[in-house]
Parts: sequence; structure tokens; C-alpha cells
Amino acid sequence: SSELSQDPAVSVALGQTVRITCQGDILRSSYASWYQQKPGQAPLLVMYSKDSRPSGIPDRFSGSASGDTASLTITGAQAGDEADYYCCSRDNSGDHLRVLFGGGTSLTVL
Amino acid sequence: QVQLQQSGPGLVKPSETLFLTCTVSGGSVSRGRYYWNWIRQPPGKGLEWIGYTDDSGSTNYNPSLKSRVTISVDTSKNQFSLNLNSVTTADTAVYYCARRDSYSGTYYFDRWGQGTLVIVSS
Repeated sequence: SSELSQDPAVSVALGQTVRITCQGDILRSSYASWYQQKPGQAPLLVMYSKDSRPSGIPDRFSGSASGDTASLTITGAQAGDEADYYCCSRDNSGDHLRVLFGGGTSLTVL
Repeated sequence: QVQLQQSGPGLVKPSETLFLTCTVSGGSVSRGRYYWNWIRQPPGKGLEWIGYTDDSGSTNYNPSLKSRVTISVDTSKNQFSLNLNSVTTADTAVYYCARRDSYSGTYYFDRWGQGTLVIVSS
């Protein structure tokens, strides 16, 4: 289908590693980008083109992709990483390009 | 550092037109590499892409909103705008403008406006 699916909520112990996944058929032909959103703030780009980090994003954030699934991994999660995370990709399957977002994953750092 | 600054009313009556503007500073909307987008987020929900314009005025819209949306660019003012007509309470959301770049075929939004909460209510 031309949708992106994410687990609604994930938790991780402080300092541990967590993987947030995004699944959809469109990911077989296009990489995902990932956004972190904290309450009351605009989304912040944290990963693009599978595993590229924008300037200023800590290297504890990493990305990967396989088949129809993209993943964002946080190694050594910090309290400040608690946020909603959205994946995003493009869908070229129809007559016109669409941009799709996943439903978002709420990350809790315990 | 490119910044996007949004402006426009936060309250719109049902059946009327929502209009928001995004002014770009520190860079030019005329640089053909980028696409200029609107994205919205209903309260407590996820992100929804609305559409984009490029610097020539070429546009592409989310099919679910296409019949009601117009996105335009004004290169002389270095800004782009969103028109959404015939609004209902379902259009209540935080609206964001965002710059889209691309790399190796991946699209990504690397600059965002501050967001504008638009409430549709009489």
C-alpha cells in the first residue's frame, strides 16, 4: 500500500539503544527521512537518504533501510531524545508525486 | 542560515478561506534547487503534506486537498503562500511551511517555519 506504518509508542531505558521503524511499500524505491518533534515545536530533520545526518545532529542517531522498512536507531538514548518521531518518503506510484508521513512514534526515555 | 517566518490569521470561519504566508530570509526562493511546501498537523495527530511550489510557480498538491488548495510563490517578496478554501472544522491544525531539498533521490524537509495554529470556528 502507499502508506507508512510506525509503532505508536516505544520506550527505552536511559543510555540504552532503541530502534524506531517505518514500514511501507514505497520504501522499496525511495529512502525515508526522519523528523523529531518535541511538544510545541516544529519538526526537526534528524536523518535523510537512509543514513545521512544533518549538521548538528548527534552521531548517536543512525539510519538504515532494508526492503520495505526504514529504521532510525538511537544509541545511548538521552532524556532529551524523548519526542515524537516521524518518517517520511515520496510516493511516485500514482499520476503525481505525493509525500507521505508515517503516523509517528512517541518515544519515552525511562 | 535560512529561516522561514510564517504569518496569517489564527482564526477562520467555516466555509471561508485560510490564507498563510511564509517569508524566507537568509536565502532565496528563486534558487531552483528547492521546493517550498506546506504541511499541517491537526491537534494531537500526525503530519500531513499539503503541497509545494517551485520558484517558477509549478505546483503539486496532496490529492486529498487538491480541489481546495492553491500554493503560490512571489519571488519579488521572497515568500510563498497557502490558500485553502471552503474550510471546515476538520481543517483546524498547526500549519507549517517547509523547504524541501533532495539527495540521492530522497526528499527531505530541512527548514521549517515556526508553525501557525489555525482554528476553524464561527
